[in-house]
Amino acid sequence: DTEVTQTPKHLVMGMTNKKSLKCEQHMGHRAMYWYKQKAKKPPELMFVYSYEKLSINESVPSRFSPECPNSSLLNLHLHALQPEDSALYLCASSQEGRETTEAFFGQGTRLTVV
Amino acid sequence: LAKTTQPISMDSYEGQEVNITCSHNNIATNDYITWYQQFPSQGPRFIIQGYKTKVTNEVASLFIPADRKSSTLSLPRVSLSDTAVYYCLVGSSYNTDKLIFGTGTRLQVFP
Repeated sequence: DTEVTQTPKHLVMGMTNKKSLKCEQHMGHRAMYWYKQKAKKPPELMFVYSYEKLSINESVPSRFSPECPNSSLLNLHLHALQPEDSALYLCASSQEGRETTEAFFGQGTRLTVV
Repeated sequence: LAKTTQPISMDSYEGQEVNITCSHNNIATNDYITWYQQFPSQGPRFIIQGYKTKVTNEVASLFIPADRKSSTLSLPRVSLSDTAVYYCLVGSSYNTDKLIFGTGTRLQVFP
């Protein structure tokens, strides 16, 4: 199984809502990532988890709250978002400490904030 | 901050070979060069990775000169389905540079 599964595929939420994005992988990868991608722009790194611990937070606003409950799951909790947060949210995973830089990406969650 | 520079866009025709060059003047000794392909509204997909000289797999070749300050992704005989954005990333498995995307190259293949 070389897949990273993201749910939901599409999400529409109001600015006062609380929602969560989910990401799952069963490749034994111990590094997992969240990216945000706006139209016609490259993916922007948001968070990195290494061995279930948050290792990088790229100055992301607190209305985005990541969580890594175990080595296979990664969540992104959303609260009080703004319309400019509408984007494709991508999850990825990779090996740690190996001579490979290959990351596996999910298909993303298309988020629309209204 | 991305460590790579690529052309913003390229055009080609079906059946031609396409070479996309990436500049990475500050590549570190432990850094690998990794290329990804991305279609609209999909996650990036790994294409190829290399450290030096030439690497070839079933979809592409990667040429890396001795100074490693640049690399070239070669796509043989492109088809319409190769229309996508191609990203070059540089980093090692021990740091997060490998995860930083630059602007990428938007390849358009025409019939």
